[in-house]
Amino acid sequence: AQSVTQLGSHVSVSEGALVLLRCNYSSSVPPYLFWYVQYPNQGLQLLLKYTSAATLVKGINGFEAEFKKSETSFHLTKPSAHMSDAAEYFCAVSESNRLAFGKGNQVVVIP
Amino acid sequence: DVKVTQSSRYLVKRTGEKVFLECVQDMDHENMFWYRQDPGLGLRLIYFSYDVKMKEKGDIPEGYSVSREKKERFSLILESASTNQTSMYLCASRDLSGGKHYEQYFGPGTRLTVT
Repeated sequence: AQSVTQLGSHVSVSEGALVLLRCNYSSSVPPYLFWYVQYPNQGLQLLLKYTSAATLVKGINGFEAEFKKSETSFHLTKPSAHMSDAAEYFCAVSESNRLAFGKGNQVVVIP
Repeated sequence: DVKVTQSSRYLVKRTGEKVFLECVQDMDHENMFWYRQDPGLGLRLIYFSYDVKMKEKGDIPEGYSVSREKKERFSLILESASTNQTSMYLCASRDLSGGKHYEQYFGPGTRLTVT
């Protein structure tokens, strides 16, 4: 079964600093990978996805992620954090008919 | 725009009550899902449905059942609510048409408290 590992349940970042959220996956087949964001009291919204095209994927709100097969990673970055980036972020890998989610990263942005 | 709606944002029920959580999508998606979300555990799949009247257990189906009589509606049922079912419940649907690659669309969630 495929799985996703996200380390560090809480991540603090200063406003204007780099946001880096790590995601490692295990998969026996070429995966489809996703990053979702959840703002307080809302459902999940798709940030970006990897579908075996370009390895560097650009998403909404200035986020991007790079697929590295050799490292089985799909880390999410944003060059400069904004207060509005405070949210919970989930990495997910496709698993036949469903998605397997990581445990999430709660991002706190410090002014 | 894609729209997944859930019948309630907040719900408080008593132990032993039968609870219905409703989810409706307006995108003609075949697949629909129910997850529960708990702090530190991420999203865990309860049940999913391939199509009308078709369902499959997810990772944590115990204590839950589902119903899908119409394509747009997927209901989660707690036959006899217990306090350990206090959680956030998220519904999602999936587009299987070309180019979507298993992307799921989520509703706003229902925060259920069982007392």
